[in-house]
Formats: sequence, structure tokens, C-alpha cells
Amino acid sequence: QSALTQPASVSGSPGQSIAISCTGTSSDVGGYNYVSWYQQHPGKAPKLMIYEVSNRPSGVSNRFSGSKSGNTASLTISGLQAEDEADYYCTSYTSSSTLVVFGGGTKLTVL
Amino acid sequence: QVQLQQSGPGLVKPSHTLSLTCAISGDSVSSNTVTWNWLRQSPSRGLEWLGRTYYRSKWFNEYAVSVKGRITINPDTSKKQFSLQLNSVTPEDTALYYCARGGIGSHKIAFDYWGQGTLVSVSS
Repeated sequence: QSALTQPASVSGSPGQSIAISCTGTSSDVGGYNYVSWYQQHPGKAPKLMIYEVSNRPSGVSNRFSGSKSGNTASLTISGLQAEDEADYYCTSYTSSSTLVVFGGGTKLTVL
Repeated sequence: QVQLQQSGPGLVKPSHTLSLTCAISGDSVSSNTVTWNWLRQSPSRGLEWLGRTYYRSKWFNEYAVSVKGRITINPDTSKKQFSLQLNSVTPEDTALYYCARGGIGSHKIAFDYWGQGTLVSVSS
């Protein structure tokens, strides 16, 4: 059982926008602005897409954006493309002694 | 360009020690602006952060509660690498292990470069 809750799957058609939620508690997502999002294609290592809630690393498309409200963070992908089909994971800093917690992952299907 | 290259055995016997190494190019294990991490991924446990080492005038290590007491992460400045040792492994430790750099943001827990992953099976 993952510490952060994500939907198991989401889908969308090319060109559409989708959002993936990530729900935690006041000890992690809600208490700190240290939420990150990763994209993982099959057989590949995760790739950092968003850090500190809404910041994009250099080289990441501006179609990817992040936000947070209360204990829930969200990753929005606009202008959906076939290459966006992947698993997406959220993480957060946590005040528990384990430092970093992950969500269970969301499989994005581009129809 | 930072690159992380993992090495180590893919099969470990129960109760033995899992040992992996992550060689760093394009950065330094002694950098005082990043952290060096180990994570793992399995169908049963998902993605899990295991621990990290970093240098801020002296060396620091931090470990996840789930593996504390069994884990050691060591930097090796002469070989430009860092290592993972996990003692007393059980089949529950079977997973794809990754090394990663925490290089962005304030707490350095956003992992911007990853190794290629090493599948480790714990079996007799």
C-alpha cells in the first residue's frame, strides 16, 4: 500500500488534456511544496517531469504542469501525444523518518 | 552530461548481502550541491526510496525506516562512485534497484539523473 494515492489509470485522446491526482496527508503533500512527478516508459528508468509542485526541469515540455491544493497534488498534461503514454508517479517529502514517499503510479493510455 | 552506471550481481541468496555500485560521470560524489540515492521498484512495493549519501563539509547518510539497520550507502571518492549494501536479504527484497542523483530543488529529493537499473533476485 503506497503512502500517496493515485488513480490506477487514466486515458485521453490525442490533443486532449488530462490530469492525474496524487493525494496524501498534511505530513507530506499538504504540508510541504516538495511534490515531484516522474514519467516511466516500459523498461526505462523514471524521468523527472515536475519538481517542487510546479517547476519543470530543463528540457521538459511545457505541456506538463503541476499544481497543489490542500493534500492533493495534480499533474496536467495538455495537448496529449502518443509518446505521453507511460506510467506516472508522484512523490513527496514527508515529515516521517522515511524522507520520501511515492504514489502507486498511474497508467496513462493515449487512445 | 551526468551519467550513472550501475553494476553488481543479479542474484543473491537469502540471508546474504546485496551489493551494488553506481559509477558517476559528469559530476562528483563529493559535490556539496547534490545527493546520491538508491531506490528500488517491485510489483508488490512499487517505487521505494531506500537512502542517500551526501557531502556538506562532512558526509551524511539517511535511510528509509523500512530498511534501516540493514542498509549501508557509502561514497567512494577515489573511484567516483557510491555503493549500496543491504544485509540479511529475503525474497521480499527482490526488485529492480536504481541509483539516482538528487540534483534539483531545496531538499535534493527530486531525482534528475538515474542509473539504468539492476534487477536483483533473492533466491537460493
